[in-house]
Amino acid sequence: GEDVEQSLFLSVREGDSSVINCTYTDSSSTYLYWYKQEPGAGLQLLTYIFSNMDMKQDQRLTVLLNKKDKHLSLRIADTQTGDSAIYFCAERRDFGNEKLTFGTGTRLTIIP
Amino acid sequence: DAGVTQSPTHLIKTRGQHVTLRCSPISGHKSVSWYQQVLGQGPQFIFQYYEKEERGRGNFPDRFSARQFPNYSSELNVNALLLGDSALYLCASSDWALVYEQYFGPGTRLTVT
Repeated sequence: GEDVEQSLFLSVREGDSSVINCTYTDSSSTYLYWYKQEPGAGLQLLTYIFSNMDMKQDQRLTVLLNKKDKHLSLRIADTQTGDSAIYFCAERRDFGNEKLTFGTGTRLTIIP
Repeated sequence: DAGVTQSPTHLIKTRGQHVTLRCSPISGHKSVSWYQQVLGQGPQFIFQYYEKEERGRGNFPDRFSARQFPNYSSELNVNALLLGDSALYLCASSDWALVYEQYFGPGTRLTVT
């Protein structure tokens, strides 16, 4: 199928770590992405991982990929109020075009 | 450097009308993709253009069309608008040589009444 699945909501206390999970469908996916969308705005590319990698770290962001289970996660360390947003995972399945297939998004709420 | 720009920001149209949305990619980027994001959902791929040629098409009716100009800017056209076409239309650009990264513009909010 086409679906990329995410939990709809996540609430985290300020200063804690946030873990946002995603399950994708195509084992041949080449790149997997995390985008951030703030209210009324477009999508901001946060990070991405190539399918032959298990982990990628970029400052406060850590991406983990379990290819066997087709599971992708994004960990945000020391979550701040500015991290409040909707987070989308997306998969890219082939190099023939640049189509990204997005999940439904996870709304991250920070509790002061 | 300027990011991806889109115009207009907001647009209100009536059912049956036609609309044209515009996108200017990041300088040096030759690929432009269009996505539709209905409220509460993730973006859905509509088209990709590279060097003025269509490289990909999503599952959208023929009422949707696009083109890319020699300066790599792009237009998305939607004919015979339906209420269900109300959405945020996002444009993304990339450098085909760096195939991993697509950068999105702020979008055009289309409301069909």
